[in-house]
Amino acid sequence: DTEVTQTPKHLVMGMTNKKSLKCEQHMGHRAMYWYKQKAKKPPELMFVYSYEKLSINESVPSRFSPECPNSSLLNLHLHALQPEDSALYLCASSSPGRSNEKLFFGSGTQLSVL
Amino acid sequence: GENVEQHPSTLSVQEGDSAVIKCTYSDSASNYFPWYKQELGKRPQLIIDIRSNVGEKKDQRIAVTLNKTAKHFSLHITETQPEDSAVYFCAASRNTGGFKTIFGAGTRLFVKA
Repeated sequence: DTEVTQTPKHLVMGMTNKKSLKCEQHMGHRAMYWYKQKAKKPPELMFVYSYEKLSINESVPSRFSPECPNSSLLNLHLHALQPEDSALYLCASSSPGRSNEKLFFGSGTQLSVL
Repeated sequence: GENVEQHPSTLSVQEGDSAVIKCTYSDSASNYFPWYKQELGKRPQLIIDIRSNVGEKKDQRIAVTLNKTAKHFSLHITETQPEDSAVYFCAASRNTGGFKTIFGAGTRLFVKA
């Protein structure tokens, strides 16, 4: 399995809702990432987990809460989002070893906050 | 802070011509420079990369050059084809316990048949 799988593919939520985005990989990668991508913009790093520990938090608002339950799973819990948080949320992973900088992206969750 | 500048933002070429995209990075600790291609509605996919101890790398019609002193790196696509049309992102990466990859703003490449 050489894929990063994200669910759901699309999500519409209200500002008072609580929802979670899920990401899964079975490539043995030990670093996992959340990126946010607005239309016609580059991916913007949010969080990095290395060996299931949070190693980078790019000053993301607390309404986004990441979780790494095990080496294959990465979640992003969403609460009290704003309309400006509407974007494509991309999960990525990278492997241990010499080529461990290469990012493998999932297809993303297109999030709309109403 | 870390920054990656990318030019041009839009590039239109005739099929068969070459395309060149240029990037500049600010973080001298960056040691890995990937290029990603993103087609409309799809995920970014790695097309080529280069490490800081190498000056040039080629893979068929795609080549990347790196000038570490000037903090410049470039993507060269030769014999362009319509299927090369996409958004291309350069990026600079360094290891901070998990790799911090910063992307350039992107170049929208149009290849006209």
